[in-house]
Amino acid sequence: AQSVTQLGSHVSVSEGALVLLRCNYSSSVPPYLFWYVQYPNQGLQLLLKYTSAATLVKGINGFEAEFKKSETSFHLTKPSAHMSDAAEYFCAVIALYNFNKFYFGSGTKLNVKP
Amino acid sequence: EPEVTQTPSHQVTQMGQEVILRCVPISNHLYFYWYRQILGQKVEFLVSFYNNEISEKSEIFDDQFSVERPDGSNFTLKIRSTKLEDSAMYFCASSLDREGFREQYFGPGTRLTVT
Repeated sequence: AQSVTQLGSHVSVSEGALVLLRCNYSSSVPPYLFWYVQYPNQGLQLLLKYTSAATLVKGINGFEAEFKKSETSFHLTKPSAHMSDAAEYFCAVIALYNFNKFYFGSGTKLNVKP
Repeated sequence: EPEVTQTPSHQVTQMGQEVILRCVPISNHLYFYWYRQILGQKVEFLVSFYNNEISEKSEIFDDQFSVERPDGSNFTLKIRSTKLEDSAMYFCASSLDREGFREQYFGPGTRLTVT
């Protein structure tokens, strides 16, 4: 079975500070991992994905995530937060044998303070 | 840029009533999905649909739920007799092919409130 756990339902950072959003996964088979972002009143937008190639994945808007098998983690980072990064972020996993559905985390709301 | 659209953005209904949530997937996509998110909880998979039939469904997707692609553009989720616990945000998604990891495109969601 597959699942993801996002630590921290709310994270608050100052503008210009490091953003770190945590995601740990559980999967009985090699996983594909994703980060989605949801801005207010909008759909889920793909930020980045890990599909068994490079373990450090770069996404849009300066975000990146590193797949660490030993820690079963896929944390999302950005060196310097911008006000426009305020949104809700979802980590998700797909099992290699079943591309048909995502298992999402419960989401982390990122607040960026001026 | 093509996008998935959903209507209405917010639906309020009374318990026991039928609701239909509508989605227009991206036009050349072949796989369609519904997810839901109860407030404060995870986004959960409900159902996937391909070639005019359900390809997979979760345990949440019981006989109260049905999906349909009534024409070439719409993809609908029907809840026959709504319960209070059906209150949630419902997301539609579509993907070009079965390997949804390439990318599932999500709509903005419909917030369903059952009173």
